Amino acid sequence: NAGVTQTPKFRVLKTGQSMTLLCAQDMNHEYMYWYRQDPGMGLRLIHYSVGEGTTAKGEVPDGYNVSRLKKQNFLLGLESAAPSQTSVYFCASSAKTPGSSSFPDTQYFGPGTRLTVL
Amino acid sequence: AQKVTQAQTEISVVEKEDVTLDCVYETRDTTYYLFWYKQPPSGELVFLIRRNSFDEQNEISGRYSWNFQKSTSSFNFTITASQVVDSAVYFCALSEFGPGGSEKLVFGKGTKLTVNP
Repeated sequence: NAGVTQTPKFRVLKTGQSMTLLCAQDMNHEYMYWYRQDPGMGLRLIHYSVGEGTTAKGEVPDGYNVSRLKKQNFLLGLESAAPSQTSVYFCASSAKTPGSSSFPDTQYFGPGTRLTVL
Repeated sequence: AQKVTQAQTEISVVEKEDVTLDCVYETRDTTYYLFWYKQPPSGELVFLIRRNSFDEQNEISGRYSWNFQKSTSSFNFTITASQVVDSAVYFCALSEFGPGGSEKLVFGKGTKLTVNP
């Protein structure tokens, strides 16, 4: 049981290049999230997904796109990277608690991807 | 909007000292969850605790304890007899529920704890 994994761990891009970050979880979680962490800013939500085939915007979605074609994977794409997107990116997933008025369970995080855009 | 304030940016203590990390939150929700995560120098985020807004009982787990006070909107974290391995950035977070049952975590900016030998 690997939990939440992220690929790659490190990446350096030039301005204008594109790339995709992959998040995978093997816990059969319904919910998945992408955050970015910047110095002195804590973590901020970029996009999230409440299930396969659905995505929604978070706090800082501009410049990013996401897809959740399979329940276990959540992809974060940068179409045209900018230096402002230099950050550490964390993926998280959580289960849906049983019950009619259920709330999501605890979010568990991947190890992070350190991205530098030159 | 939800907000989490961790007023202590950095704290430095000597091993075996007790240390308390403060967390103050703002929310209009009646049901919410509060969390603490630890981020050691290696960078991963480690879940420590999740507390329901209806449960104000203090919690103790080994050297860690948490004091949840709804009246002051605080969820403070105390490490007793600190150790060098406790050195990390600690984040307090508050849940914000959205469409489809999703949960967004609103994080504080973190408190960097350094425990010196």
